[in-house]
Amino acid sequence: EIVLTQSPATLSLSPGERATLSCRASQSVSSFLAWYQQKPGQAPRLLIYDASNRATGIPARFSGSGSGTDFTLTISSLEPEDFAVYYCQQRSNLLTFGGGTKVEIK
Amino acid sequence: EVQLVQSGAELKKPGESLKISCKGSGYSFTNYWIGWVRQMPGKGLEWMGIIYPGDSDTRYIPSFQGQVTISADKSISTAYLQWTSLKASDTAMYYCARPYSSGYSGSYWYFDLWGRGTLVTVSS
Repeated sequence: EIVLTQSPATLSLSPGERATLSCRASQSVSSFLAWYQQKPGQAPRLLIYDASNRATGIPARFSGSGSGTDFTLTISSLEPEDFAVYYCQQRSNLLTFGGGTKVEIK
Repeated sequence: EVQLVQSGAELKKPGESLKISCKGSGYSFTNYWIGWVRQMPGKGLEWMGIIYPGDSDTRYIPSFQGQVTISADKSISTAYLQWTSLKASDTAMYYCARPYSSGYSGSYWYFDLWGRGTLVTVSS
């Protein structure tokens, strides 16, 4: 089973700031990684797939990078609606999620 | 409208059985995988397994193998998640989800269509 470790657990930032979230895999997942956003009381929303491709309708301020075992989700300038929990997910070997990073208002 | 509609919240006792559902509409149900995700109260997301309704090919995440059964009835475009003997630790929100593209390949196992979730509460 591939384990995904996300860091930090919590990120405290102000609107307009840049957010950088990390996801590390226990073994290579090539580029087979996605990022999701989840707000309280809602289902997850797909943001990025195959490490760097934005899903339909996702704003350009969201970008993904990385390959192998180290991946990054960057939100270039935080909007009020971006404060949420973010999960990475791999599909290289079945499916797993990371533990999540909460982006909270500072 | 393309959507996944999940069955309503359940309150069950330990040891009882349960089957919850996820009905797809507005798309070709048989051509897209359906996955199930658990979210325990205040916790993160966990994949449980995934089924291809076209031929009922089912893959379980090892930690859920033998604990639940995933099935589908393509004639009514519905996937199911079933327990034979619930435990208090099964208390959670359960989501079904569909990948962004059709086809049998796991290349598309990124999920852009989600149900609203079914809250299962197991308490004596």
